[in-house]
Parts: sequence; structure tokens; C-alpha cells
Amino acid sequence: DGGITQSPKYLFRKEGQNVTLSCEQNLNHDAMYWYRQDPGQGLRLIYYSQIVNDFQKGDIAEGYSVSREKKESFPLTVTSAQKNPTAFYLCASLRQPGSTEAFFGQGTRLTVV
Amino acid sequence: AQSVAQPEDQVNVAEGNPLTVKCTYSVSGNPYLFWYVQYPNRGLQFLLKYITGDNLVKGSYGFEAEFNKSQTSFHLKKPSALVSDSALYFCAVIWGYKLSFGAGTTVTVRA
Repeated sequence: DGGITQSPKYLFRKEGQNVTLSCEQNLNHDAMYWYRQDPGQGLRLIYYSQIVNDFQKGDIAEGYSVSREKKESFPLTVTSAQKNPTAFYLCASLRQPGSTEAFFGQGTRLTVV
Repeated sequence: AQSVAQPEDQVNVAEGNPLTVKCTYSVSGNPYLFWYVQYPNRGLQFLLKYITGDNLVKGSYGFEAEFNKSQTSFHLKKPSALVSDSALYFCAVIWGYKLSFGAGTTVTVRA
């Protein structure tokens, strides 16, 4: 079955460490997205990528980095520069605007202690 | 800049009563609008979308939404709410490839 896989579901890291969240899709979608969800703040866009080897900053990119070396994969690195990294992170993919809706992974809950 | 607003943090209704979740948007040109629902600690599930055509859009689980260009609104509606509709609802707009979401509205349907 086609879909988006985020791993792991729960992740714990010590403060000051970088951590990479995985997102893989087998939907053959061109665009991929990373969101952060905090209570009462909805989904805030971190980064998005329209095509391989290209990505754009979203609304809260500071302290995060991404890469898009393959169409299927869009990993997100939470760096030590991110002041409040503990959150629920969601990955999504989209074939192209106006054609279909975006599909979401099940999310990764990151806790930094 | 594009944006989407959900003016109500919470909506509470009795089972069997109509449910409305409000959404307004700000975007240049013709918008593509979406509604998603989220259950606890899960990803988002698509409910419906407006791309073009009829202003009344029908979606999953008996939900519908009305696109109103003059009021820049895309309110989600269900004629008769169920307890199982209790969840977090998000409105979204896409401009170019940038997909932006509102802050979400928590819907509670009491038995």
C-alpha cells in the first residue's frame, strides 16, 4: 500500500544533540513537507520541497535543516540551535497543487531532556 | 502572504445537532482549500477540498464545506453531529506549493 512512513514514533534526545527524523513516501509525490505541532498553535510549516535537490524555508525554519536527495525521502534534522525542540513533528507529501490532497505520516514525538 | 484563520479554539455541540467549524483565508488569486481532521497522537486525515467548481463541497463522513469568495470563508459543516466526530479540525490553504494550516479547532460532541 502507498503511504508515508515516519520513524521512529517516539524519540528521546539529550539537550545539545542533533537528531534526524525520517520521512519516506512511496506515493511518487513531487512535494514533501515538515510541520511542527504544539498545543494551541496548529501546524507550523518548517520546510518544504517541491522537487529533488530543492527546498524552501517555511515559517519556522530556524534551528532545523533538511535534504532532498531522493524523491522518496525528506529527512529533517533538529539541530542544537533549535531552542524548544520538544514537539510533535508531521511529514506530508503532495503530488501537485490542485490535483490531490496532501497525505500525512503518523508523526514523530520528539522529547529533548 | 497567504494565511488561514480558524476563529474558534473550541466548538461544543450536542449529538444530533448541526456542527459548524469556521475558517477564513487570505491568499492572492484562486485558492485551493482543504479540511483535515486529527485524532489524538495521529497524523491528519483528509476530509474534503475546494479546487474549483461548485461552492458546496461534499466530503468524507457526512461533512461538507461551503466556499464563499466574497467573504473569503470555507466553513466546515455537518447536519447532524456524532460523538465520534469529536476531534481536532484543521483548515488549510495552498498557494504555489506552500501549504499552510490554521491553528485548529477542537470539536467536542456530547452525548
